[in-house]
Amino acid sequence: GESVGLHLPTLSVQEGDNSIINCAYSNSASDYFIWYKQESGKGPQFIIDIRSNMDKRQGQRVTVLLNKTVKHLSLQIAATQPGDSAVYFCAESEVFGNEKLTFGTGTRLTIIP
Amino acid sequence: DGGITQSPKYLFRKEGQNVTLSCEQNLNHDAMYWYRQDPGQGLRLIYYSQIVNDFQKGDIAEGYSVSREKKESFPLTVTSAQKNPTAFYLCASSIDLWGKNIQYFGAGTRLSVL
Repeated sequence: GESVGLHLPTLSVQEGDNSIINCAYSNSASDYFIWYKQESGKGPQFIIDIRSNMDKRQGQRVTVLLNKTVKHLSLQIAATQPGDSAVYFCAESEVFGNEKLTFGTGTRLTIIP
Repeated sequence: DGGITQSPKYLFRKEGQNVTLSCEQNLNHDAMYWYRQDPGQGLRLIYYSQIVNDFQKGDIAEGYSVSREKKESFPLTVTSAQKNPTAFYLCASSIDLWGKNIQYFGAGTRLSVL
């Protein structure tokens, strides 16, 4: 079956800098994408989502960019803080509103003080 | 205080034993899910339920069983047929809001084999 993957398993960023976490997906039928943040020993926490009819969506300090042409998704975190250290997952579903999500492997983001 | 409660936080299983992981939600969500997470890995879907008294197998259902007798509860049993049960188990729930199904997760249960 189709799978969602990540380019880099780990990323270290200086505190205060911006970070970009990438996600490649292979399912051209993917219609809905979500980013989750998982801190050590905890469950994933919803960050932001985007539908395939959009190419950009902004939240508080976070921006998700979607490039359907190359099947690429990215999460930008502005002015990173120590609390941003976590594993970040992208997830996708084929149909907007479909309850089944396919998760990527995850990227571990470490913020350097 | 609304949310998803998983218990216990840590669980140990002996060889040949069945163990049941609890998941309760008071969010009035229709759908509930169970995922398995291995170290350094993503989440893999075990079972999911979109409505009471109905559930579907996910990608790795072998060796697991579930029930959905109440909207609030979706317990997962790890049977003796699951030969490698050591993992972090996550329960989630979601509700259809304007076509979106954002899944919200519990804090997880870490299962180890004695």
